[in-house]
Amino acid sequence: SQKIEQNSEALNIQEGKTATLTCNYTNYSPAYLQWYRQDPGRGPVFLLLIRENEKEKRKERLKVTFDTTLKQSLFHITASQPADSATYLCALFGYNTDKLIFGTGTRLQVFP
Amino acid sequence: NAGVTQTPKFQVLKTGQSMTLQCAQDMNHEYMSWYRQDPGMGLRLIHYSVGAGITDQGEVPNGYNVSRSTTEDFPLRLLSAAPSQTSVYFCASSTEDGATGRLRIYEQYFGPGTRLTVT
Repeated sequence: SQKIEQNSEALNIQEGKTATLTCNYTNYSPAYLQWYRQDPGRGPVFLLLIRENEKEKRKERLKVTFDTTLKQSLFHITASQPADSATYLCALFGYNTDKLIFGTGTRLQVFP
Repeated sequence: NAGVTQTPKFQVLKTGQSMTLQCAQDMNHEYMSWYRQDPGMGLRLIHYSVGAGITDQGEVPNGYNVSRSTTEDFPLRLLSAAPSQTSVYFCASSTEDGATGRLRIYEQYFGPGTRLTVT
């Protein structure tokens, strides 16, 4: 069956370091992959989208890579700040489907 | 632009009661969807709609009904609430991918959520 996996354990890093979050998927042929940020008690907020034919996408301090051979996406936040502390969700959208399916999310905690 | 609005923010129901969660968007998006979020389970798709008059089932549709009579509104109905439906419910609407024209979901905007408890 289709599965999207994100590290369920929280990622704790020091301010200024680069945070790297992982999204792995199986039995899926995604047309593209998205990353969202979710703060406690609020709805997710869209961050970035990367298509299957793109290797890397950047937006300010954010970088996403997409390796369809490894079936993996990496999400990087450079020069991390305490304000980056949140849960980050990946989501996949496949060909011949109208459904966007989410992973369970990884909580990031950035300490001063 | 109000974006995506949801009402109510909180609701407590008794088992067997029915209710409708309201969702509206003012961005003229064709695609709208409902998710539920439970601890450790992430966001799971309940129902979605690709335009007025068209709805389809997501991953966990049982116990829920939807309709889409207008582009703006996408209500979610619980016909007979069960404790297993205790969750946080999010409605979302999406822009389309202008580059390809094929993909219906590009940037997805979420509402603030409805926290539902069924006792």
